[in-house]
Amino acid sequence: GENVEQHPSTLSVQEGDSAVIKCTYSDSASNYFPWYKQELGKGPQLIIDIRSNVGEKKDQRIAVTLNKTAKHFSLHITETQPEDSAVYFCAASTGGGADGLTFGKGTHLIIQP
Amino acid sequence: SAVISQKPSRDICQRGTSLTIQCQVDSQVTMMFWYRQQPGQSLTLIATANQGSEATYESGFVIDKFPISRPNLTFSTLTVSNMSPEDSSIYLCSVEDLSLRRDTIYFGEGSWLTVV
Repeated sequence: GENVEQHPSTLSVQEGDSAVIKCTYSDSASNYFPWYKQELGKGPQLIIDIRSNVGEKKDQRIAVTLNKTAKHFSLHITETQPEDSAVYFCAASTGGGADGLTFGKGTHLIIQP
Repeated sequence: SAVISQKPSRDICQRGTSLTIQCQVDSQVTMMFWYRQQPGQSLTLIATANQGSEATYESGFVIDKFPISRPNLTFSTLTVSNMSPEDSSIYLCSVEDLSLRRDTIYFGEGSWLTVV
């Protein structure tokens, strides 16, 4: 089955700097790659997703890139703010999401004021 | 996006008992899923809840321990049976929302269970 590796497990950046979280996946048939933000005591919130027919997608300060050949995708957050502090999860699915998601282990992002 | 409501939001359960978690969506969805998130860990898919038929379970999860119902396109339940402290987790309902576009997966706020 699918295996998703996520790095780093913890990332500390200064407010205003950029943060990058990287994930690799094992199944070349995967075609849907969402990112979730989970704040303490809450469920995962979808922040951005990308499908295999696209190489990059951007939404304001958040962007995701996908390299199908290398089987990795990354989350980029620019101009980080204190409210960006949370745990971020990447995920992958072979069925466009309809087959369920395989998650990475998560990255605890800490924004230092 | 679809609004997903889960009940209970939190509960403390006695060892050996069973608890049923409800998931209600404000619109019809084709796919509903149940995930488990153990303390400080990532999310693991338990099963896909199929409308009108038996759920499809992932490796390591069985129907006797986690019976699931899905009587219609907006509602599902997950029961955690004969609970032990190892079952202390967040249980999350997830849906595929077709209202915006296909294959967008959203989660509820979760049901936080502590087994004592």
